[in-house]
Amino acid sequence: RKEVEQDPGPFNVPEGATVAFNCTYSNSASQSFFWYRQDCRKEPKLLMSVYSSGNEDGRFTAQLNRASQYISLLIRDSKLSDSATYLCVVNTGGGADGLTFGKGTHLIIQP
Amino acid sequence: EPEVTQTPSHQVTQMGQEVILRCVPISNHLYFYWYRQILGQKVEFLVSFYNNEISEKSEIFDDQFSVERPDGSNFTLKIRSTKLEDSAMYFCASSDRRGLLDNEQFFGPGTRLTVL
Repeated sequence: RKEVEQDPGPFNVPEGATVAFNCTYSNSASQSFFWYRQDCRKEPKLLMSVYSSGNEDGRFTAQLNRASQYISLLIRDSKLSDSATYLCVVNTGGGADGLTFGKGTHLIIQP
Repeated sequence: EPEVTQTPSHQVTQMGQEVILRCVPISNHLYFYWYRQILGQKVEFLVSFYNNEISEKSEIFDDQFSVERPDGSNFTLKIRSTKLEDSAMYFCASSDRRGLLDNEQFFGPGTRLTVL
């Protein structure tokens, strides 16, 4: 099982700022890409899927570059409630395969 | 909103003992998973289960581990003889496999296993 690499942070960002996270994955056969959010001692929760054309969900924008095997997440107008660990996740294909998680990037939004 | 549930929330056991972690996946889901997360580490895939059999398992899922769907609702992970290094948070997840892009896996709140 190949790896997913992320900058662990922490990223300390003032409220209202824009912050971007990056992630690289090593398995070129990966077919599905996600950003999950994990609060301290809680379960991972899906933030958004990442599509080849890029996609946006409110203040969150995700991008995928298959050639470079690179995924990004942009958070605009950050809120205190965005403080969490953001997990880059890939799936090599189909519903039967387990997810491969990055170690996560820790974000702290400061008032 | 339907959710995955897990019991117990915290399990303390002695090294060498058997433990069974229980999960109730979302009712119309077809794919079930176990993951673990050692404190401070990444979430790691253990096993996936579909149509009453294991679909895929990781190198972590050795002969000490087994999974079962004993009835129509529960999904269990058994560790036969626990080791200190089995101490971790164990997450159950389920999905309905709507397709490659929308194959969201819903995670339960986890069981914290502490092996003494």
